[in-house]
Order: sequence, then C-alpha cells, then structure tokens
Amino acid sequence: QVHLVESGGGVVQPGTSLRLSCATSGYIFGNHGLHWVRQAPGKGLEWVSLIWYDGSRKYYAEPVKGRFTISRDESEKAVYLQMDDLRVEDTAMYYCARDDSSGYYGLDVWGQGTTVTVSS
Amino acid sequence: SSELTQDPAVSVALGQTVRITCQGDSLRTYFASWYQQKPGQAPVLVVYGADNRPSGIPARFSASKSGDIASLTITGAQADDEGDYYCITRDTSTSHAALGGGTKLTVL
Repeated sequence: QVHLVESGGGVVQPGTSLRLSCATSGYIFGNHGLHWVRQAPGKGLEWVSLIWYDGSRKYYAEPVKGRFTISRDESEKAVYLQMDDLRVEDTAMYYCARDDSSGYYGLDVWGQGTTVTVSS
Repeated sequence: SSELTQDPAVSVALGQTVRITCQGDSLRTYFASWYQQKPGQAPVLVVYGADNRPSGIPARFSASKSGDIASLTITGAQADDEGDYYCITRDTSTSHAALGGGTKLTVL
C-alpha cells in the first residue's frame, strides 16, 4: 500500500527556516513526481511546488519562489521542502501528494500533513 | 491565487443529483482531477482523467469536460458526501498545478 508521511513542521519565527520531509513507501519512487500543497487555517488548498519523477524539473508557486527549494533523495525514497525566510503568511498545513504521472497532475495519494506556524 | 474558478458553495437534497463545475483555460488542453476534503482530513482523489475513479470511490461520482469547463457530478448524493471539493489541472503556460478555490457541498 502506498504511504506518504510528512514531518518537520513546527513553530518558528519570521525570517527563519524549516525543512519538511515526505517519506514514501509502497511504490516505485522513481516512477512518480511529488507535489507540496498547503492549506492556511480556514482557507482553500494552495499548490506550492512540484518535482518531477526523475528530479529533472522543479516548479514553484510565485509566493514561495526564491525562498523554498524542493529536492528528492532516491536512496531514502523521500522528498524535501527547504523553506527559508519564512513569513507569517506561510503558516499552513503542508501536504505532500504523489503525482499519478498522467501528465495533467492527478494527485492520487496524499499524506496527512505537517503543520507550520510562523509567528513572532 | 487559483487559476481555476469554482462556485464557493452548492447544496443538494439527499438523494438528488448535483454538479460542481470548474472553469479555466488550461482545461481546454488537460483533464481535471477532483478531490474531496472533510474537516480535519487530507484531501482524497475522487475522480481523475476522462471519468475514472480510484478504488473505493463510489460509482455515484463521475466527471465530464466541455471546452474550458470540467464538471464533477454526484448522482444520488448521500450525507457522507458533504465536504469541500477541489479541482486541479496542469497549467498550460507554466506547467504549475492550477487549483480551484473549492466548492463547499451541503447535503440537505
């Protein structure tokens, strides 16, 4: 069974950094890309970033471009989101989700999320 | 910001049919995928592609697309179908993921 487990969230001050991890299991890691999607309290879903199945392409939403970096480790079967210069508006639940490799971004498996709170 | 447009809220009587729509230019090229989210839970994929359901999703959920509008139809809505529904597709210009703002479904 496919599982995604996020970790690394916490409470931090503005301007600091966090590194989120998404541990995967139950499928061939190199066959699927991974997305990060966040949800601020009481708000809708917001796409954050995508890394292709082979790591060759990475995409970022405009609000996080230049501050967040997505990466993957084939040996660990994990994807990471390095978040620098965090802002209050980055406060959200962060989900990782597997891309179904359809080409139109079906996110077929989601983790349970990890909470990031940015507050002074 | 959301590059796909959804109605903020829709209601349906128990057992009736409801359609939730999603509009955006990228839908002329790509299919949408649809997600259900209940309070305090992660989103769940309910329909993807032309009209495909993951294992375990009831057959009352179906999808269609015409031009720049994708639709999720629930035929015979149940109380358990209440929640927020989101559409996602690939943005043709940026290859980012485009999300709808979500539709809150109430079953009366």
